Formats: sequence, C-alpha cells, structure tokens
Amino acid sequence: AQSVSQHNHHVILSEAASLELGCNYSYGGTVNLFWYVQYPGQHLQLLLKYFSGDPLVKGIKGFEAEFIKSKFSFNLRKPSVQWSDTAEYFCAVSPLRDDKIIFGKGTRLHILP
Amino acid sequence: KAGVTQTPRYLIKTRGQQVTLSCSPISGHRSVSWYQQTPGQGLQFLFEYFSETQRNKGNFPGRFSGRQFSNSRSEMNVSTLELGDSALYLCASSDPSGGPWEQFFGPGTRLTVL
Repeated sequence: AQSVSQHNHHVILSEAASLELGCNYSYGGTVNLFWYVQYPGQHLQLLLKYFSGDPLVKGIKGFEAEFIKSKFSFNLRKPSVQWSDTAEYFCAVSPLRDDKIIFGKGTRLHILP
Repeated sequence: KAGVTQTPRYLIKTRGQQVTLSCSPISGHRSVSWYQQTPGQGLQFLFEYFSETQRNKGNFPGRFSGRQFSNSRSEMNVSTLELGDSALYLCASSDPSGGPWEQFFGPGTRLTVL
C-alpha cells in the first residue's frame, strides 16, 4: 500500500538553527509531492510542491525541498528558522494521474525564541 | 476568490447520534475531498467527490458517507457516532482540470463525541 513516512514527530529548535524534516514515500511510479503547513489556529496551507523538472523546489517563507527519486525522499529544509515557523508540517504524495493525496502523520516543529 | 468554507466549526455529540458536516469549495472547483485529522495519525483520507460522483474512498467503515451536489458543495455524514470519531474533519477542494493539482483546505469542523 502507498504510504508516507515522516521521520520526526516532534522537533524542537532554537531560532536561527537549520532545519531538515525527513519524508519518504512508498510508491514505485511517478508522483507529485507536497509539503503542507498548519500554523496554530490556521488552515492547512501549501508550503511547496514538486511536479517535475528541477528536483530542488523553493516554497514560501524561505523553505525548500529536494526530491531524490532514488531514495524516494522529499526532505524539507530551511537554513535559519524563526519563531514564527512553529507549526505542524505534513508531507504528502499524489501518484501521477491519481485523484488522491496521501499524507504523512505530520511533524510538530517548535521554535524556541 | 473566497476560500473553502466548512460548517459548523464545532460540534458536540453523544455516542450513537449521527452528524452531518458541510463543505463549500472554492468557486469553480469540482473536486472535494474529506479527511479526518487526529493527533498522531495525521490526515486520513475519507473520500473524494468529483461532479457528484465518489471517485475515491479511504479505509473507513460504512458509517462514514458523503455526497456532492450539483453546485459542488459536499456533505459528510457519520452515523452511530463512537468516541473514536472525535477529530478535526477537513474538507479540501481542487480543480484537477489543469493537470497536476493541489488541494485547498478549509478550517475544519471540530467534532467531539461524548
């Protein structure tokens, strides 16, 4: 069955630290990849997406993610986090031409001021 | 454009009751998906409707059902509520006609079953 694994359930960092959140998926075919973010009290919103082309994609608020096809991974990175990045982050995968998105269980990120 | 709206925002029910949740997608979006979000489980896919037809269904019991109307608005129904149904229910809309698609989420309905 298709699945998405997020390696860290909770991450605590200090401001200005670098961030990398891991995401691996199990699906052998072509996929579309997403990272969504849910800030406290807010809607789930799209952070960035990968459909094709350059495997390094840039999203909002200084986030980026790299698609490594051979590793079935789509890790999220940010070189210097801010307190306002405190949120829950979800990795998601949509097999090409499929009409559903499979989400990981999320990573709660807490940034200490 | 107005975003995805969900009503009600909060619900408290007791075991055995049934509940209906409503979702209005972004104007022009014909696909509506429903998810159950619980701590530690993330978002679990319930079902997806497109042009009034259920196209995909997740692994939830038959107590969970949905429908979509001609104006793309969607409802989700849960019958014979159980304590474990307490969760945030999210609706997302999308427009798949343009190729690879992304989903736009509503604020959710927080259901508490006592």
